[in-house]
Amino acid sequence: SQKIEQNSEALNIQEGKTATLTCNYTNYSPAYLQWYRQDPGRGPVFLLLIRENEKEKRKERLKVTFDTTLKQSLFHITASQPADSATYLCALGGESGGYQKVTFGTGTKLQVIP
Amino acid sequence: NAGVTQTPKFRILKIGQSMTLQCTQDMNHNYMYWYRQDPGMGLKLIYYSVGAGITDKGEVPNGYNVSRSTTEDFPLRLELAAPSQTSVYFCASNAGQGGSPLHFGNGTRLTVT
Repeated sequence: SQKIEQNSEALNIQEGKTATLTCNYTNYSPAYLQWYRQDPGRGPVFLLLIRENEKEKRKERLKVTFDTTLKQSLFHITASQPADSATYLCALGGESGGYQKVTFGTGTKLQVIP
Repeated sequence: NAGVTQTPKFRILKIGQSMTLQCTQDMNHNYMYWYRQDPGMGLKLIYYSVGAGITDKGEVPNGYNVSRSTTEDFPLRLELAAPSQTSVYFCASNAGQGGSPLHFGNGTRLTVT
């Protein structure tokens, strides 16, 4: 069955450093991968989309890579700030049974220490 | 622009009671979804709808029902609540094309005791 793995342990980094979060998957060939941010008590908020034929996407301080051979995505936040502290979810998607099925990982909690 | 609005924010139910979780969106999205989120388990799809009058089951539909009479509204009904339905429920919508972002509400925290 499809499996998506994100670091279950929290990631603590110093302010100003680059945070790197990983998303690994098995038994899946997604057409695209999305990253979401979730703050406590709130719903996830979409950050970035990368498609299977793309290697890298950037948006301001965010960068996502997608390696379909390794079945892995890396999510980078450069010059991290305490306001970046949140849980980050990866989600894999593609056509399934007539609709766009999106499957979520369990998320990685990022703590940026001032 | 409200986006996706869910009510109530919190609810406590006794075993066997029923309730409806409300969800409405103002983005004219055809696709709407209900997820539940349990600690360490990620978001699981309960039901989805590709348009008014059309609904289908997701991964974990047992114990739930939905309806979609309008584009804007997608209520989730819990019949005969059980402790296993204690969770945080999220409604989401999107345009439905491949990769289009999901827009989430802020959730309903439900406890069944």
